[in-house]
Amino acid sequence: ELKVEQNPLFLSMQEGKNYTIYCNYSTTSDRLYWYRQDPGKSLESLFVLLSNGAVKQEGRLMASLDTKARLSTLHITAAVHDLSATYFCAANTGNQFYFGTGTSLTVIP
Amino acid sequence: EAQVTQNPRYLITVTGKKLTVTCSQNMNHEYMSWYRQDPGLGLRQIYYSMNVEVTDKGDVPEGYKVSRKEKRNFPLILESPSPNQTSLYFCASSPLGTSSQETQYFGPGTRLLVL
Repeated sequence: ELKVEQNPLFLSMQEGKNYTIYCNYSTTSDRLYWYRQDPGKSLESLFVLLSNGAVKQEGRLMASLDTKARLSTLHITAAVHDLSATYFCAANTGNQFYFGTGTSLTVIP
Repeated sequence: EAQVTQNPRYLITVTGKKLTVTCSQNMNHEYMSWYRQDPGLGLRQIYYSMNVEVTDKGDVPEGYKVSRKEKRNFPLILESPSPNQTSLYFCASSPLGTSSQETQYFGPGTRLLVL
């Protein structure tokens, strides 16, 4: 069974600061996904990372994948309040998906 | 509008009373899946389906059934709900499973309370 671990679980950061969320997975995965969930809402896709060294950026968020280390990172640049949400990473083996427990991010003005 | 819909959105029931949560997608996706979300546990996959009449167990299938008689619909059935099935449930769909470069698209969620 593939295990996905995220850290930190909770993150409180000031506006304008940078930070990184880490996602480790235990066995080989076809790809790595990042999702965002606002309180009381559904999950919204952020990134799909397909191969080693993949890097994708959208606004203040940048995701990367190191398949050799089985590690993905979600880097937040110059955080703003609108980024407050819970972020999940997920990996798959075949057609089964495994999610991390999520990182609850609060951006403080 | 491309979307995944779930019904009902909220449900309170009693132990042992059979219930069905419906899921429908209008994107002609082959892959559909059900998850439950519990605090501190993230999302856990219950069942998934690669296409009509093709379903398979996820990580936590006990106590649940699914069916895929039509491509667009993937209902989740709880034959005899128990309090430990109290959770937030999400349906998701995706084109062509993991061979696709696309992600999963999630429904709005169904909050279930079993008394």
